[in-house]
Amino acid sequence: RKEVEQDPGPFNVPEGATVAFNCTYSNSASQSFFWYRQDCRKEPKLLMSVYSSGNEDGRFTAQLNRASQYISLLIRDSKLSDSATYLCVVKGTGGFKTIFGAGTRLFVKA
Amino acid sequence: NAGVTQTPKFRVLKTGQSMTLLCAQDMNHEYMYWYRQDPGMGLRLIHYSVGEGTTAKGEVPDGYNVSRLKKQNFLLGLESAAPSQTSVYFCASSTPGGWETQYFGPGTRLLVL
Repeated sequence: RKEVEQDPGPFNVPEGATVAFNCTYSNSASQSFFWYRQDCRKEPKLLMSVYSSGNEDGRFTAQLNRASQYISLLIRDSKLSDSATYLCVVKGTGGFKTIFGAGTRLFVKA
Repeated sequence: NAGVTQTPKFRVLKTGQSMTLLCAQDMNHEYMYWYRQDPGMGLRLIHYSVGEGTTAKGEVPDGYNVSRLKKQNFLLGLESAAPSQTSVYFCASSTPGGWETQYFGPGTRLLVL
């Protein structure tokens, strides 16, 4: 079993749609959680951190469920520019063991 | 600020050849990392460094060596390249801490024939 698992997609949605991604992690001792975004043939960039209380940044909402060991990302009112791969990232204690999920590909179409 | 830069951007090697990938950052970050990204597998940590002169093994260190002689530079070496090392290599840097952002370079695409 992979330490961080994501639905690979692809998700094909029309502009304006709401789309949700889920991610599960296996290590209950994991400490920090993130969503990164990676455009085609580009480097990953931080989208948002995921705190226990959840957090929202404009059209993006991230939530963490420690009991069930999953993380979610909700994108509302999808834009063409949201087309990318979304990487779920989990970090363990000590700060170095950073595990990246394989990513979920999103295509937003006009 | 240039952020994190990597050289070269693309390289083709023959099996058994050696090469060094260079990563440089101008953000004065203590931590630096080397990852490889393969289809369907996500990024995997090869080696990392928590400061000048220190290095440590990550998840997939075999076949690679690293050095951090200067704080701003982190070198990844392949002593004898193998086709299994065909991948995209990303360097990243960050400040210490559990919630710090990792800043990535643009990547190096390596093809080993």
